[in-house]
Amino acid sequence: SQKIEQNSEALNIQEGKTATLTCNYTNYSPAYLQWYRQDPGRGPVFLLLIRENEKEKRKERLKVTFDTTLKQSLFHITASQPADSATYLCALAVYNQGGKLIFGQGTELSVKP
Amino acid sequence: DAGVIQSPRHEVTEMGQEVTLRCKPISGHDYLFWYRQTMMRGLELLIYFNNNVPIDDSGMPEDRFSAKMPNASFSTLKIQPSEPRDSAVYFCASSLDAYNEQFFGPGTRLTVL
Repeated sequence: SQKIEQNSEALNIQEGKTATLTCNYTNYSPAYLQWYRQDPGRGPVFLLLIRENEKEKRKERLKVTFDTTLKQSLFHITASQPADSATYLCALAVYNQGGKLIFGQGTELSVKP
Repeated sequence: DAGVIQSPRHEVTEMGQEVTLRCKPISGHDYLFWYRQTMMRGLELLIYFNNNVPIDDSGMPEDRFSAKMPNASFSTLKIQPSEPRDSAVYFCASSLDAYNEQFFGPGTRLTVL
């Protein structure tokens, strides 16, 4: 069956360290993958998109990698800050399914000062 | 632009009542999505529209759910009759095209007693 899995446990790190979140998928052939941030009581906010033919994408302190052989994406936040504390969702878009995104359950990140 | 607008923000109703959730997408966006989010199931796509036409409603849980998009600036999600298991946060999102970021509204928190 098709599955998208993110770290189910919350990730707690110290301010200034690099946070690494994992998104694994099975039985999908994604055209691209997106990462969103969600704060309590709010809708998800788009962060980055990476296509299947791209290995890595960066935006300021954020970096996403995409390994279609391992069927995995890693999301990194360098020099993390308490303001980065939120839930992070990965989402797959599959070929020939228009704009349809399939979301993982999300990983809660807590950055301590 | 004001972003995606949803109303109401909170809805409390009794089992058996009809519930209508409303969404105004970002002007110029051709795609509109309805999602439901619960702790148990995460963020699930219910239905999406392209140019006001429903494209994929395979996520709509059952016949009690219906969605319409009478024009480019308005969509509704209706539940009739509502049941306690429908309690969730319902998000509307829009995007410019099929392969770009989605912009989410603030959500409607629905509680069915």
